[in-house]
Amino acid sequence: GENVEQHPSTLSVQEGDSAVIKCTYSDSASNYFPWYKQELGKGPQLIIDIRSNVGEKKDQRIAVTLNKTAKHFSLHITETQPEDSAVYFCAASRVGTSYDKVIFGPGTSLSVIP
Amino acid sequence: GAGVSQTPSNKVTEKGKYVELRCDPISGHTALYWYRQSLGQGPEFLIYFQGTGAADDSGLPNDRFFAVRPEGSVSTLKIQRTERGDSAVYLCASSPERGRYNEQFFGPGTRLTVL
Repeated sequence: GENVEQHPSTLSVQEGDSAVIKCTYSDSASNYFPWYKQELGKGPQLIIDIRSNVGEKKDQRIAVTLNKTAKHFSLHITETQPEDSAVYFCAASRVGTSYDKVIFGPGTSLSVIP
Repeated sequence: GAGVSQTPSNKVTEKGKYVELRCDPISGHTALYWYRQSLGQGPEFLIYFQGTGAADDSGLPNDRFFAVRPEGSVSTLKIQRTERGDSAVYLCASSPERGRYNEQFFGPGTRLTVL
């Protein structure tokens, strides 16, 4: 079945440094790739997303890149701050089809050290 | 406005018991999703509602799990004859409609512990 892999599982960076999380997906028909941030005791919250017709998207300190050929996509956080510490999930789905359930990766626990 | 709410926040039950978990979606959202999240894992899809009907229940693990949304708003996830392996956080999410690039808004989850 469909699968989303995510690396690393844990990531620790110094405040101000950049953090990169990488994901791969197995379903070549996936066309929508959201990223969610989950803080302790809360539900996941969408932070950025990218569609398959776009290679890169940026929103302030957060950027995502997508390589459809390789079925890779990545999240880049620059100038990290302590409040960026959380678990991040990548996900993939086929929007616009009858089979559009969102498949989540296993998550990356990011710690930003002040 | 209010986000997605879930009750109870925590539920402890004994093996073999029946439990109900409630989800109140954002007002006006027609799409509602249930996920299960085990420790250290991403959310795993269980079931999706569009309005009152279950449009996709392919993620329900077995027939002990059932969900309803009788009036197209509040949804209840029902688990019969609970097993220790059912222990997890159950997340509910809603979105304006399916089939578009819509953000799913998640509730805080219900942590179910089966002793």
